Amino acid sequence: LAKTTQPISMDSYEGQEVNITCSHNNIATNDYITWYQQFPSQGPRFIIQGYKTKVTNEVASLFIPADRKSSTLSLPRVSLSDTAVYYCLVGDPFSGYSTLTFGKGTMLLVSP
Amino acid sequence: EAGVTQFPSHSVIEKGQTVTLRCDPISGHDNLYWYRRVMGKEIKFLLHFVKESKQDESGMPNNRFLAERTGGTYSTLKVQPAELEDSGVYFCASSQVTSGYGGELFFGEGSRLTVL
Repeated sequence: LAKTTQPISMDSYEGQEVNITCSHNNIATNDYITWYQQFPSQGPRFIIQGYKTKVTNEVASLFIPADRKSSTLSLPRVSLSDTAVYYCLVGDPFSGYSTLTFGKGTMLLVSP
Repeated sequence: EAGVTQFPSHSVIEKGQTVTLRCDPISGHDNLYWYRRVMGKEIKFLLHFVKESKQDESGMPNNRFLAERTGGTYSTLKVQPAELEDSGVYFCASSQVTSGYGGELFFGEGSRLTVL
């Protein structure tokens, strides 16, 4: 199983762009990178998933370099409501999500 | 469209008692997962159903835990007898994997279990 390393916490202000980087040095060929967001007392919520290069949706962008040993979740113009824990998961979703492991995540605090 | 629903939202029981947690996945989702987070720990996989079949139950901690998904719709997770270390939040998630897309997991809000 690919092990991931993320910063424990990050601070930002409203309107700024936030980039959270995840290291996954032993990522396997079939592995995807998936990011989830979790608010207190709620279940995790899918943000974005990618395999290589760049993926963008209405919420975030995911940048994956050619060697795929790291990835960066980019949140444009964060607001107070983006305060949450963000998890980077690496694994093969086609093999079932037992291969995806939630680490400690990154606690993002957005201030006014 | 209704999301994943879990019941109860919070259960407080005494050690040795039995608790049954229920999960209703999103309609049409064949894949159903149970996860849990015990105090101070990371979210851990428990098991995975594909329709009514257990695809992977490698994360189930011991035989005090029994999961079922009769008919391939809702699922129950029974803990019998409950121990103090079973306290935590139990999450259910569902997904529909299609060709070429690993799909996202849709999580419920969790069932908090407190064993006294």
